[in-house]
Amino acid sequence: GENVEQHPSTLSVQEGDSAVIKCTYSDSASNYFPWYKQELGKGPQLIIDIRSNVGEKKDQRIAVTLNKTAKHFSLHITETQPEDSAVYFCAAEPNTPLVFGKGTRLSVIA
Amino acid sequence: GAGVSQTPSNKVTEKGKYVELRCDPISGHTALYWYRQSLGQGPEFLIYFQGTGAADDSGLPNDRFFAVRPEGSVSTLKIQRTERGDSAVYLCASSSAGGVEQYFGPGTRLTVT
Repeated sequence: GENVEQHPSTLSVQEGDSAVIKCTYSDSASNYFPWYKQELGKGPQLIIDIRSNVGEKKDQRIAVTLNKTAKHFSLHITETQPEDSAVYFCAAEPNTPLVFGKGTRLSVIA
Repeated sequence: GAGVSQTPSNKVTEKGKYVELRCDPISGHTALYWYRQSLGQGPEFLIYFQGTGAADDSGLPNDRFFAVRPEGSVSTLKIQRTERGDSAVYLCASSSAGGVEQYFGPGTRLTVT
């Protein structure tokens, strides 16, 4: 079945700097790759996603890139703010249920 | 509009007891998913409903776990003879017909003592 690896597990950045989180997947049948932000005590919130026919997608300060050949995708957050501090999860969808990475705890230091 | 809601938000039960966790999906969403999230891990798939029927229950860990969605809206996850290893946050998500985006509820934190 699908296996999603996510790195790094923790990431600290200064406010205003950029943050990059990387994921790899194993199943070439996966064609949908969402990213979720989870704050303490809350459910995961969908922040951006990308389909397999697109290489890059941007929404204000966040962007996602996808390399199908290498089976990896990345989340980029620019001009980080303290409210970006949370755990971020990548996921891949080979059929319908999502397969998640183990998460990255992002800390933005003011 | 209203998002996915889950009740209760917290549930503490004794080992061996039976529990029910409820999920109300976004109105009109036909697909409903249950995931389980252990501390420090990503959500893990349990079961997926399309309408009233379970389209995929391959993630249920054993026969103590069961879920229903009798009218194609609200779903209940049922756990029999709870064990301490069942302690986790149980998350519910829903998506629209033909949609791939899954929207999550706040979860139910289950603690088995």
